[in-house]
Amino acid sequence: NAGVTQTPKFRVLKTGQSMTLLCAQDMNHEYMYWYRQDPGMGLRLIHYSVGEGTTAKGEVPDGYNVSRLKKQNFLLGLESAAPSQTSVYFCASSEDSPYEQYFGPGTRLTVT
Amino acid sequence: AQRVTQPEKLLSVFKGAPVELKCNYSYSGSPELFWYVQYSRQRLQLLLRHISRESIKGFTADLNKGETSFHLKKPFAQEEDSAMYYCALLTGTASKLTFGTGTRLQVTL
Repeated sequence: NAGVTQTPKFRVLKTGQSMTLLCAQDMNHEYMYWYRQDPGMGLRLIHYSVGEGTTAKGEVPDGYNVSRLKKQNFLLGLESAAPSQTSVYFCASSEDSPYEQYFGPGTRLTVT
Repeated sequence: AQRVTQPEKLLSVFKGAPVELKCNYSYSGSPELFWYVQYSRQRLQLLLRHISRESIKGFTADLNKGETSFHLKKPFAQEEDSAMYYCALLTGTASKLTFGTGTRLQVTL
């Protein structure tokens, strides 16, 4: 049981490049989330999904897109990376009650 | 709007000293609160939730609705408690969480 996995672990992009971060979970959870973690700002929700084929905006969605074509996968895309998107990105999944979120190991992204 | 405040970025205590990590919230609904912990090189994980009123690794947290607080406490700090601690508030549907900015606990000898 791998839980929540994220690919890749590290990435360096140049400004304007695009990339996709993959999150996969094997717990059959309905809900999935993408966060970014920045020093002094904690975790902020980018986008989330309440089930296969659904997505919704979180607190800081600008510059990101997501897709949930399969229940176990949640993809986060950056169409045109900017230095302000340098961050550590975490994926998480959850069921309804008791509401615990299970986190992936994170992806460290640097945009130069 | 919902908000979680953790006023201390860093809390440094000696081994064996009591620990209190502060968390205050603002929320118009009935609050459900959590503490998550991130040890060095490990993923973020749930430490405890107020609804279960449990003690995990010696930590406890009591929800005080009058003071809108959910402080995390431990009577005697251990070196292995050194980590980043986040307070989180369940908000809206889909089990969404609003996180505080986190407090780094540093336990020294």
